[in-house]
Amino acid sequence: GDSVTQMEGPVTLSEEAFLTINCTYTATGYPSLFWYVQYPGEGLQLLLKATKADDKGSNKGFEATYRKETTSFHLEKGSVQVSDSAVYFCALSDGSNFGNEKLTFGTGTRLTIIP
Amino acid sequence: DVKVTQSSRYLVKRTGEKVFLECVQDMDHENMFWYRQDPGLGLRLIYFSYDVKMKEKGDIPEGYSVSREKKERFSLILESASTNQTSMYLCASSGWDSQETQYFGPGTRLLVL
Repeated sequence: GDSVTQMEGPVTLSEEAFLTINCTYTATGYPSLFWYVQYPGEGLQLLLKATKADDKGSNKGFEATYRKETTSFHLEKGSVQVSDSAVYFCALSDGSNFGNEKLTFGTGTRLTIIP
Repeated sequence: DVKVTQSSRYLVKRTGEKVFLECVQDMDHENMFWYRQDPGLGLRLIYFSYDVKMKEKGDIPEGYSVSREKKERFSLILESASTNQTSMYLCASSGWDSQETQYFGPGTRLLVL
């Protein structure tokens, strides 16, 4: 079945540091890939997504590129802020039923940014 | 903005009690989902529904049931709560117009004593 493997946390960085959170996946077919973020005390919200190979998703300074050859979707940000402290989840959709896709999530990576 | 609301942010129940978790979405979405979130395990799908009165088992349905009598409302039921069901429960919805994106509620943190 489909699966997502995420870099284990927790990750602690200083403000303005460069961030990479690794994500690799196993899937049949042509999944879409997502990064969701969960701020303290809240539910998940979509951060960015990519629907096909070589697509780059971006939002709030975060970027991730859909790499089919390495089955990866690593999350990057050039200069993190304290407000980026959250839990980040990589996910894929099964793409099996248009409009009815289920998501498979990674285990999440807790990111803490120190001023 | 899409809004998904859950009936409680925190719940404390006793072993053996019947527990109802309610979820309501206001975007006329066809699909609704229940997940549980546990440290180190990420989100695991319990049940989902593609339409009113339809339900499908997810990856961990044991000990749970669901009800979807109206399009906007999806209820998760713990028939007889047990301590291993202590967890964070997240509801989500998506539709034909949301382009595979699921929208999440704030979560219900359930403690079973």
